[in-house]
Amino acid sequence: EAQVTQNPRYLITVTGKKLTVTCSQNMNHEYMSWYRQDPGLGLRQIYYSMNVEVTDKGDVPEGYKVSRKEKRNFPLILESPSPNQTSLYFCASSGRGHDEQFFGPGTRLTVL
Amino acid sequence: DQQVKQNSPSLSVQEGRISILNCDYTNSMFDYFLWYKKYPAEGPTFLISISSIKDKNEDGRFTVFLNKSAKHLSLHIVPSQPGDSAVYFCAATGQRSGYALNFGKGTSLLVTP
Repeated sequence: EAQVTQNPRYLITVTGKKLTVTCSQNMNHEYMSWYRQDPGLGLRQIYYSMNVEVTDKGDVPEGYKVSRKEKRNFPLILESPSPNQTSLYFCASSGRGHDEQFFGPGTRLTVL
Repeated sequence: DQQVKQNSPSLSVQEGRISILNCDYTNSMFDYFLWYKKYPAEGPTFLISISSIKDKNEDGRFTVFLNKSAKHLSLHIVPSQPGDSAVYFCAATGQRSGYALNFGKGTSLLVTP
């Protein structure tokens, strides 16, 4: 089954404790992206990657890192999480940048 | 700076009637527009898209209209069904922006029986 998977689905952590949210797709897609969804703000893009070893900042990249060492994986790294990073995070992939993007189920992160 | 705007946070429509969801954008470099539908506790799912070289695209009950001169697009759902109740996001992208996807804040559609 074609899908985008994210882990963990739920995470509660404390300020400053480094964490990684994994994202994997099995559709051989070149384009992958991370978004956060906050009430009243919709979906905002954090980082995106057009291909392996190519990443670019989206609208809200501060406090986040990403890497794209393999085509299928695009982890989101929070080196020192803060409470304002409490949010619902979605990973997405597509064959090409402007194709429809397939979204993962989301990761709800709470930073205390 | 919100480049894609959905000015109606919510919309309520009776079953069987037409639902019209609106979206405005500010960046003339956008050349591809998409609509996504989102249910609670799920990721957004793609609904329909339109290229800037077209002014209309139809897929079953869903039609998207694009007015480039007004920088406006709309999604029409006819007839509306209760299962259409969800949050609808408008998104825009373009080659010159590296295909970064810009989303609106979403419109919550409620279709009542």
